[in-house]
Parts: sequence; C-alpha cells; structure tokens
Amino acid sequence: RKEVEQDPGPFNVPEGATVAFNCTYSNSASQSFFWYRQDCRKEPKLLMSVYSSGNEDGRFTAQLNRASQYISLLIRDSKLSDSATYLCVVAGGSSNTGKLIFGQGTTLQVKP
Amino acid sequence: GAGVSQSPSNKVTEKGKDVELRCDPISGHTALYWYRQSLGQGLEFLIYFQGNSAPDKSGLPSDRFSAERTGGSVSTLTIQRTQQEDSAVYLCASSRLAGGVGELFFGEGSRLTVL
Repeated sequence: RKEVEQDPGPFNVPEGATVAFNCTYSNSASQSFFWYRQDCRKEPKLLMSVYSSGNEDGRFTAQLNRASQYISLLIRDSKLSDSATYLCVVAGGSSNTGKLIFGQGTTLQVKP
Repeated sequence: GAGVSQSPSNKVTEKGKDVELRCDPISGHTALYWYRQSLGQGLEFLIYFQGNSAPDKSGLPSDRFSAERTGGSVSTLTIQRTQQEDSAVYLCASSRLAGGVGELFFGEGSRLTVL
C-alpha cells in the first residue's frame, strides 16, 4: 500500500462547479498535512496547509480526519485557472518528522 | 536569484555514464529535499537533509544513487552507471523550518534523459 493515496483523475468539470479531492495516508503517527498545486511542466507550489479543525482559504477548504486517516480538498466556484494537478502531502511520523511524502496527484481540468 | 537553483536544467546521457545534479537552496534554509518525478507520475521521495543531522536516505532506489550536502548549503545528487529507468525530472526543494514542516520551495528541476 502506498503511504499517500489520492483519487485517480482526471476530474473534468465546468466553470463554477464544486469539486472535491480525497487523500488517504497510511502512517497514523503523521503530524502535518498539506495540499500542493503543480501546473503542467512546472514545479509544485504550496496551496494550503491542513489543520485538524479544518481550514478555509477563499474558495478552497481543507479537512482532516485523523481517525480515518483522510484528507480532503474542496474547491468551490471553479475557475479555468484552477486547472492543475493537486498533490496531497503528508509529513512526519514517529521517527521521520521532516520526511514529506507526496501522493501521485489528481488532475483537474476546468472547462468553459 | 532568491529561489532554489538547479543545474543542469536538461541532461542527456548514455546508459552506463555517471551524472551529477546540483541544487543551490534558498539562503538560510536548513532543510533540503530531493525528489524525482517520472512523466505523468507523482513525486518520489529520494533523500532529505536537515541541518547537521544524518540525512534520511530511505528513498534512494539503489546504491547507484548518492547525495551530499556541503557546508549545509549546496547539494549534489550523483547517479552512477545510469539506466534508462533513471530518466525523470529530479526536483530539489528547501525549507526554512526545522523538521521541514513548513513550505517547500522547489527548483525548476533537472530533466535527465538516459539513452
């Protein structure tokens, strides 16, 4: 089993749609969680951190469920510019707090 | 520049040759990571340096791969006797916070093609 698994893509949605991505992780001792965004042929960039209480940044909402070892990202009112690959990232564990593991990514294509 | 710098940006080599990839992290960042990304795939963790601590080498795929970080700054990833399956984009990232539990800043990557 992979340490971090994401929904298979691609997700093709119309502008204005709401879309949700899911991610599961295997190490129950993991401490920190993030969503990164990667545009085609570009390097990944931090989108948002994921906190236990859930957090929101504009149209983006991230949720963490430690009991189920599950992270989600919700994008409301999708824009064409949201088209990218979204990477779930999990850090930490009992002995590797600095090791950051990336999921394989979920591709989002927002169409006019 | 203020960002993470990687060189070369592109490298084409013949099977069996050795290659060196260089990463110059953001000044003051104590954590440095190497990942590789094959076409259409996610990022595969290779190695992680944190300050003066022993690096976490758990992601290196074979003993042909090695990395060092001199003076807590520049890092070199070396691949010996390259194989075609080594072809990928090698990404370096640095982070300011101890333990790397903070934002990773990535370089643009070194694209390696092994013929």
